[in-house]
Amino acid sequence: DTEVTQTPKHLVMGMTNKKSLKCEQHMGHRAMYWYKQKAKKPPELMFVYSYEKLSINESVPSRFSPECPNSSLLNLHLHALQPEDSALYLCASSRATDTQYFGPGTRLTVL
Amino acid sequence: GIQVEQSPPDLILQEGANSTLRCNFSDSVNNLQWFHQNPWGQLINLFYIPSGTKQNGRLSATTVATERYSLLYISSSQTTDSGVYFCASGSRLTFGEGTQLTVNP
Repeated sequence: DTEVTQTPKHLVMGMTNKKSLKCEQHMGHRAMYWYKQKAKKPPELMFVYSYEKLSINESVPSRFSPECPNSSLLNLHLHALQPEDSALYLCASSRATDTQYFGPGTRLTVL
Repeated sequence: GIQVEQSPPDLILQEGANSTLRCNFSDSVNNLQWFHQNPWGQLINLFYIPSGTKQNGRLSATTVATERYSLLYISSSQTTDSGVYFCASGSRLTFGEGTQLTVNP
């Protein structure tokens, strides 16, 4: 099974809302990632978790808060977002620094 | 950080044609991946190929690490091959800008 799942598929939120994105994998991968992708641009790395610890934060604003409750789950908590944060948010996982498997993404719209 | 450049940016083919996509990277790497992003946004891993040649059906890829480039070959293209092809490299997986492929029937 090489599947990474993400929920929800679509999310519309106001600038004062708090919401969370969820990512799950059952491949036994120990590295998990969050990426942000704007329209017609490549994905950009936001966060990396390795063995459930945050190892990379690519200078992401604090209104994005990642969490890794266990080795299979990765959350991204959203608070006080701006309209320019509207994007496709992709989760990925890998065994180590090798093949990354991506989920289908969450399309986020901030009003 | 590592720079990744892809060419061409856009490619339009007739069904059945062959094509070659190129990826240049700025530094020696031990991680080079090719992805296909379909119109719904799903990124599908095609190859993990830090060096050498691999084939999977109508697709094949070659990476020449010493010369810092990788090539993705698509043979007998089909309309379902349409989408954006990304290469990505480096420990923080830096993506190129992608090649937008359109295959017309």
